[in-house]
Amino acid sequence: DAKTTQPPSMDCAEGRAANLPCNHSTISGNEYVYWYRQIHSQGPQYIIHGLKNNETNEMASLIITEDRKSSTLILPHATLRDTAVYYCIGKSQGGSEKLVFGKGTKLTVNP
Amino acid sequence: EPEVTQTPSHQVTQMGQEVILRCVPISNHLYFYWYRQILGQKVEFLVSFYNNEISEKSEIFDDQFSVERPDGSNFTLKIRSTKLEDSAMYFCASLGMTHMNTEAFFGQGTRLTVV
Repeated sequence: DAKTTQPPSMDCAEGRAANLPCNHSTISGNEYVYWYRQIHSQGPQYIIHGLKNNETNEMASLIITEDRKSSTLILPHATLRDTAVYYCIGKSQGGSEKLVFGKGTKLTVNP
Repeated sequence: EPEVTQTPSHQVTQMGQEVILRCVPISNHLYFYWYRQILGQKVEFLVSFYNNEISEKSEIFDDQFSVERPDGSNFTLKIRSTKLEDSAMYFCASLGMTHMNTEAFFGQGTRLTVV
C-alpha cells in the first residue's frame, strides 16, 4: 500500500471549506486514494475514494492531481461535527486488503 | 443504513483472563476484520477473515488471539490470556466487495481495559 503523508493538524472556521492535503508520491497505478475519518474514539468512517478523476459525494469532494502524487479532501461547509482525525489511505479498489492507517490530520472546526 | 454492531461497548477484565469480543457484520458482507487502537496511537490491523478462515494477520495477532464466525452472523475475537498491554479499543469491520460497495464499514468499537 502507498505511503501517505498528511499534516498532523489543521484548523478551520465553521461554515468555511476545509481543505485537507495528502501526499502519496509512491502510489501505484492500480491504487485508489481512500479517505476515512475518526471522530473521538469512534470507529473509522468512510468518506470518499478516487483513482484519478475528481469525485464528489454527499460528504465531501476529492481532488486528485493529474500525476496522482497528491490529493485534497474538501469539506465544503465544515461544521463542528466535522472535528475529527482524517486519514488518507492508498488501497486497491475491489481488493480485500487491510487498511493501513497513518497518524492522519486532526481537523478542528472552530465556531 | 446498515451498520456493524459490536458488543460489549466496554469490557473490564483481570490480567490473565479470557475475553471474547463480539461483532455482527453487515449481513451480505464477505470479508471481516479486527483492528485495535491503543489510546493515543494509530489504528492497527490485527486480522482479516474470509470464507471461514484467516486470510491475513499482523505480528500483533499471536497465539493469544483467535477469531471465528461460529454461526454465520457473529464474528468474534478471543484473547486467551489478557495482558495489560491488550488494553485498547477494538474495532470490527466488514467489506462487501461488490462493484458498488468497496468501502469497509467499522463498528463503534469495544473498549477493553485489562487491570
